[in-house]
Amino acid sequence: QKEVEQDPGPLSVPEGAIVSLNCTYSNSAFQYFMWYRQYSRKGPELLMYTYSSGNKEDGRFTAQVDKSSKYISLFIRDSQPSDSATYLCAMSAGYGGATNKLIFGTGTLLAVQP
Amino acid sequence: EAQVTQNPRYLITVTGKKLTVTCSQNMNHEYMSWYRQDPGLGLRQIYYSMNVEVTDKGDVPEGYKVSRKEKRNFPLILESPSPNQTSLYFCASSGLGAYNEQFFGPGTRLTVL
Repeated sequence: QKEVEQDPGPLSVPEGAIVSLNCTYSNSAFQYFMWYRQYSRKGPELLMYTYSSGNKEDGRFTAQVDKSSKYISLFIRDSQPSDSATYLCAMSAGYGGATNKLIFGTGTLLAVQP
Repeated sequence: EAQVTQNPRYLITVTGKKLTVTCSQNMNHEYMSWYRQDPGLGLRQIYYSMNVEVTDKGDVPEGYKVSRKEKRNFPLILESPSPNQTSLYFCASSGLGAYNEQFFGPGTRLTVL
């Protein structure tokens, strides 16, 4: 079993839809939870990060972490064609050194249709 | 502009021909790392470095070498490439501490024939 599981999609939605992306994990040592966005032929770029459990909102994006269920989510409201990309969840135990290592999900390919 | 650069961006080579992929960052980051990205497997760490002359293996280090002689540079060396090393490679860097964002380079697409 992988440490981080993510549905690879692809996920196709109409413009304006609410998108829900999810990951589950097995390692209870993970403290930092991140969502990266990767456009085609580009490197991943950080979209949001959350420490421990709870919600975090940034514009149209909301990240949720439920450590008791080992489940994280990213919601995108009013999705736009420019949101079309691969979304990668990532996690780490944090606190420097080897724990800087990020464990990634396989990524979900999202297409927002105009 | 704060960035991580990689060269080359694309490379086609043959089995056994030594190659080096360069990585450089201008953010004075202590931590640097190499990942490979494969369909269905996601990003997996190859090697990482916490500072100059300090390197360690990640999850998939076989067939790769790295060095960290300067803080800004972290080259990835394939001394005898094989077809199973055909992949998309990313270099990343960050500061150390409780949490530090990792910044990724643009990627190097390597094909080994």
